[in-house]
Amino acid sequence: GDSVTQMEGPVTLSEEAFLTINCTYTATGYPSLFWYVQYPGEGLQLLLKATKADDKGSNKGFEATYRKETTSFHLEKGSVQVSDSAVYFCGGSNYQLIWGAGTKLIIKP
Amino acid sequence: EPEVTQTPSHQVTQMGQEVILRCVPISNHLYFYWYRQILGQKVEFLVSFYNNEISEKSEIFDDQFSVERPDGSNFTLKIRSTKLEDSAMYFCASNAGTLGQETQYFGPGTRLLVL
Repeated sequence: GDSVTQMEGPVTLSEEAFLTINCTYTATGYPSLFWYVQYPGEGLQLLLKATKADDKGSNKGFEATYRKETTSFHLEKGSVQVSDSAVYFCGGSNYQLIWGAGTKLIIKP
Repeated sequence: EPEVTQTPSHQVTQMGQEVILRCVPISNHLYFYWYRQILGQKVEFLVSFYNNEISEKSEIFDDQFSVERPDGSNFTLKIRSTKLEDSAMYFCASNAGTLGQETQYFGPGTRLLVL
């Protein structure tokens, strides 16, 4: 069945460091791909999405490109801030949203 | 901006009791979903709902679970006889377009604790 695999956390970085959180998917066809973020004590918020190959989603300085050839949707940010500390979930969707396990990101000042 | 709301925000119940979790999806959305997240674990799909019937459900969504859209605004998840392992955060979501393809908007969640 469809599945999403993302790198295990926690990922701990210093402020202004470069961030990459890997995400790969296995699915029938070409699902829409999402990154959701869950800040401490809050619900899930859509961070960015891409609906077809080579699409780039971007928001709040985060980017992810839908790579069909590597079935990947890695999340990147050039310079992280303490306020980016959260859990990040990669998801893929054909008929239901399949989630990765989540990656906890800790940014230290 | 319209948002999905959920009530209650927290619920504590005794094992074996029935609970009903309520959600008000965004008003023009057609597809509705329930997910759960056991503390420290991944978010898991439970069920999707369209046109007053279940579209998809996971293995987690057994006979103890049911969903209903009792009126034009609410979407409920009922757990008939709660078990300790039902303790989790339950998220409702909705989207306007094609099942699963469009962005799903999530509510803030209901934290359920079964004692």
